[in-house]
Amino acid sequence: DAKTTQPNSMESNEEEPVHLPCNHSTISGTDYIHWYRQLPSQGPEYVIHGLTSNVNNRMASLAIAEDRKSSTLILHRATLRDAAVYYCILANYTGANSKLTFGKGITLSVRP
Amino acid sequence: EADIYQTPRYLVIGTGKKITLECSQTMGHDKMYWYQQDPGMELHLIHYSYGVNSTEKGDLSSESTVSRIRTEHFPLTLESARPSHTSQYLCASSGAGASSYNEQFFGPGTRLTVL
Repeated sequence: DAKTTQPNSMESNEEEPVHLPCNHSTISGTDYIHWYRQLPSQGPEYVIHGLTSNVNNRMASLAIAEDRKSSTLILHRATLRDAAVYYCILANYTGANSKLTFGKGITLSVRP
Repeated sequence: EADIYQTPRYLVIGTGKKITLECSQTMGHDKMYWYQQDPGMELHLIHYSYGVNSTEKGDLSSESTVSRIRTEHFPLTLESARPSHTSQYLCASSGAGASSYNEQFFGPGTRLTVL
């Protein structure tokens, strides 16, 4: 599976935008880029995913580089409840495969 | 809100006991997964199932076993618990069909402590 590289941690201020980077230089043409987050003492939850085009949903935006070797998760206005570990994961769905491989993720701290 | 449940949420048990961690989902998902996560560490896939009577080992070797007799139920069993099994166990499920993408929904986890 192609790997992703994320910084260990990031700090932001409440109500400011947050840009969480992810590098995936060995991404293949069929790999989707996923973001999940894990709040303290909870299981992970889906945030967003994309293949080539930028994506927006109610939680966040995903900006994908033109060469797809990097992407950025954008939280438009961070709140204290956004403090979590954010995982950038690549996965393709050839055949019946649906496994996700979680790395260390990036720990986001939000200052009041 | 995801309808995936795990019981118990917390379990403290002595060495050598047999334990079963329960996981059930009401979304009709055909794919289910078990992950293991130590505090502050990564999640590791230990078992998965793509449907009834289908189970596979995950990326991390585990002494636990699983079964999938019913679509909605995916229990994990440890025949003889040891302190090295102390960890958090997370269950997840994802949907079926021709969709090219299946979001995984996670349960709240079972925190297991073996004394």
